[in-house]
Amino acid sequence: DTGVSQDPRHKITKRGQNVTFRCDPISEHNRLYWYRQTLGQGPEFLTYFQNEAQLEKSRLLSDRFSAERPKGSFSTLEIQRTEQGDSAMYLCASSLAQGWNTEAFFGQGTRLTVV
Amino acid sequence: GQQLNQSPQSMFIQEGEDVSMNCTSSSIFNTWLWYKQDPGEGPVLLIALYKAGELTSNGRLTAQFGITRKDSFLNISASIPSDVGIYFCAGYNNNDMRFGAGTRLTVKP
Repeated sequence: DTGVSQDPRHKITKRGQNVTFRCDPISEHNRLYWYRQTLGQGPEFLTYFQNEAQLEKSRLLSDRFSAERPKGSFSTLEIQRTEQGDSAMYLCASSLAQGWNTEAFFGQGTRLTVV
Repeated sequence: GQQLNQSPQSMFIQEGEDVSMNCTSSSIFNTWLWYKQDPGEGPVLLIALYKAGELTSNGRLTAQFGITRKDSFLNISASIPSDVGIYFCAGYNNNDMRFGAGTRLTVKP
């Protein structure tokens, strides 16, 4: 499978617990994005990496959220002290940024439910 | 929040009909992308547009990058039931990709 892979697909957690999601991008892609999507809305940008460097973070990314891409390959998104408002689909996308070519491909997402 | 205005929000059409949806922005984008998302899945890239005025087709899908670089439209010809889903536009600048709120398409057989 050469697509973007996300794990787990679903996560149910109790409020206050920490959760971590993983994203494995397409292997040669140097850019990796995290988005959050709530019902009836389009994906909202959270953060992105160019190789291992985290170059931009949205204001949506509170201090309870942290993302890493330590070796420039897979990435993790951790949410600490989860709140009910964190319930959403978390999407990862990757792209090979070359000039204007910025086609980004998404994984299937991790659906988080905080109870 | 969303920076792209996508319309219509939803469409109910008969199988075989053509569909048109569009996306506008107050900002200029260098790239426009159109995605389709099925329930519980991630968005799937349909078409990418890189030049103002560019018209690109992918099977029954045709999309155009507006001359002002602030808008794009997507047409689907001769719709079929599997076209059902939510269609998102996305504008890309430098390091940033922003999405519209989506157009939900329902196709009646």
